[in-house]
Amino acid sequence: DIQMTQSPSTLSASVGDRVSITCRASQTVTTWLAWYQQKPGRAPNLLIYRASYLESGVPSRFSGSGSGTEFTLTIDSLQAEDFATYYCQQYSSYSTFGGGTKVEIK
Amino acid sequence: QVQLLQSGDEVKRPGASVKVSCKTSGYTFSSYGINWVRQAPGQGLEWMGWISTVNGNTNHAQKFQGRVTLTTDTSTTTAYMELSSLRSDDTALYFCTKEGLGGHLTDWGQGTLVTVSS
Repeated sequence: DIQMTQSPSTLSASVGDRVSITCRASQTVTTWLAWYQQKPGRAPNLLIYRASYLESGVPSRFSGSGSGTEFTLTIDSLQAEDFATYYCQQYSSYSTFGGGTKVEIK
Repeated sequence: QVQLLQSGDEVKRPGASVKVSCKTSGYTFSSYGINWVRQAPGQGLEWMGWISTVNGNTNHAQKFQGRVTLTTDTSTTTAYMELSSLRSDDTALYFCTKEGLGGHLTDWGQGTLVTVSS
């Protein structure tokens, strides 16, 4: 199985900050990598697919980059509604999620 | 619009089975596979498995080998997930999800809470 490791597990930030979350795969997933946002009590919401493609309706302050085994989700100018938990998912070989990164208010 | 409507919450005894349904609408059912994902209380997301809505082929995570059965009913555009030999650590919120072209998960059901307790 492909293991996905996210870092950090928790990130404290302020409104307006630029934040980055890293996801590393135990073996290459080429660009079969997605990012999701989840708020408490809600189902996850797709943000990015194929490592860098922005899902329709997602604000352009979200962006994804990377290929192979290392990926980054960046949020430019963090907004109040962005405080949530973020997960990466590989879908190169079956599927696996990262452990999650909670973005909290500093 | 795309909708995935799951069956209601369940309480089960250890050793029992549970079957969760996922009624879909708003898109062509046979064009996209269905994945199942679960989330234990306070924990992260865990992929359980995938089913093709074309031919019923399935893949599932190794840890659920022999315990999970994924099926679909194309006449009602409904997917089902059955988990057997339930244990207390199967207590979780179970989601069905529609995949996009490639395998990312574009739409999610509202979740079904399965509680396993004696």
